[in-house]
Amino acid sequence: SAVISQKPSRDICQRGTSLTIQCQVDSQVTMMFWYRQQPGQSLTLIATANQGSEATYESGFVIDKFPISRPNLTFSTLTVSNMSPEDSSIYLCSVVDRVGEKLFFGSGTQLSVL
Amino acid sequence: GENVEQHPSTLSVQEGDSAVIKCTYSDSASNYFPWYKQELGKRPQLIIDIRSNVGEKKDQRIAVTLNKTAKHFSLHITETQPEDSAVYFCAASRARGNKLVFGAGTILRVKS
Repeated sequence: SAVISQKPSRDICQRGTSLTIQCQVDSQVTMMFWYRQQPGQSLTLIATANQGSEATYESGFVIDKFPISRPNLTFSTLTVSNMSPEDSSIYLCSVVDRVGEKLFFGSGTQLSVL
Repeated sequence: GENVEQHPSTLSVQEGDSAVIKCTYSDSASNYFPWYKQELGKRPQLIIDIRSNVGEKKDQRIAVTLNKTAKHFSLHITETQPEDSAVYFCAASRARGNKLVFGAGTILRVKS
């Protein structure tokens, strides 16, 4: 399976600031997604990161709050903007492995907003 | 859109016993059903998956069954071990490689 590196692994941020999370894959992948996992909860899809075009957001998530870039087939960023304590979560990038068409997750970014 | 319900939310079993986790889905077009295991502080790991043209799939001590008519699928773990203790998530999508909708998760505790 693809090796998915995510950074930072954790961060503590002040409310009102923004944090950009990076996701790097060791091979070209077609599909890349960003998920959020709130404390003790399940995984919720934020958006599909589309290479060379605007991301596709799920209901309840907007581009102004979670801008996403995907400049190529191996890299994507998710920014959490104007943070509030409610944004404290684990953010996970995930990719579909071209070989098996299965979904694999990065190591996650644990974000705490004070 | 798709909705996936998962039961039970917590499950405690004695080491060596079997564990069963059940999920139901709402979208009849869904045809891919993976299961993920998430240990504390770690990323979700894919442990088994099944497509809608198959009724059952096994991999050593774990198996998944699918009833497409009833729109439910289940994870079966036999001969449970303490290292099976984790949170398990079911998911559904319309195709492999497509976005997944996850169930709420089941905390499995295996007591030794």
